[in-house]
Amino acid sequence: DAGVIQSPRHEVTEMGQEVTLRCKPISGHNSLFWYRQTMMRGLELLIYFNNNVPIDDSGMPEDRFSAKMPNASFSTLKIQPSEPRDSAVYFCASSFAGRSTDTQYFGPGTRLTVL
Amino acid sequence: SQQGEEDPQALSIQEGENATMNCSYKTSINNLQWYRQNSGRGLVHLILIRSNEREKHSGRLRVTLDTSKKSSSLLITASRAADTASYFCATESQGAQKLVFGQGTRLTINP
Repeated sequence: DAGVIQSPRHEVTEMGQEVTLRCKPISGHNSLFWYRQTMMRGLELLIYFNNNVPIDDSGMPEDRFSAKMPNASFSTLKIQPSEPRDSAVYFCASSFAGRSTDTQYFGPGTRLTVL
Repeated sequence: SQQGEEDPQALSIQEGENATMNCSYKTSINNLQWYRQNSGRGLVHLILIRSNEREKHSGRLRVTLDTSKKSSSLLITASRAADTASYFCATESQGAQKLVFGQGTRLTINP
């Protein structure tokens, strides 16, 4: 079992550029979560999907952020245009959600630096 | 906004001692989970305790839940250097299929 796969692991870009982060959840999981972690704000939930459908995107900071899940095995988080304050570690997690949220399995994260 | 708040924010103990971390939350929950994060890594699930449970064990880990006080504790017995990490509690509120994480407790085990 490969676990949750994220790419790239590190991304350095310049302000104004488009950034796309990718996630492959664990096979068979039906929920996918995008988090952002910073020293100042801790771990924040940005958006989560259930059966490929976005359920709650209230954590998405602003219109510059968008997320898609075209199928059960792939999701993207896009930032366009990027800003220095977007610098953070972005985690993807997946779980099998029944009536409640059970164990979430986290990927290794993408460390984003916007110069 | 944060649902869970861990206490203390940082804890440093000697190897072999027990480590206790606390988590308080604000609203009624379905379950509470504890996760560990090693430096530069993703979070790893440790243990889940449901709202109708009061105590749970897993190896050297012991978790308690007091729903009347809206608090939980994580006890790590006989700590090892490898336990050095940040520990997060996460709560799932009733009616919400998502977790809200606290700010974490940074645990350092000194050899």
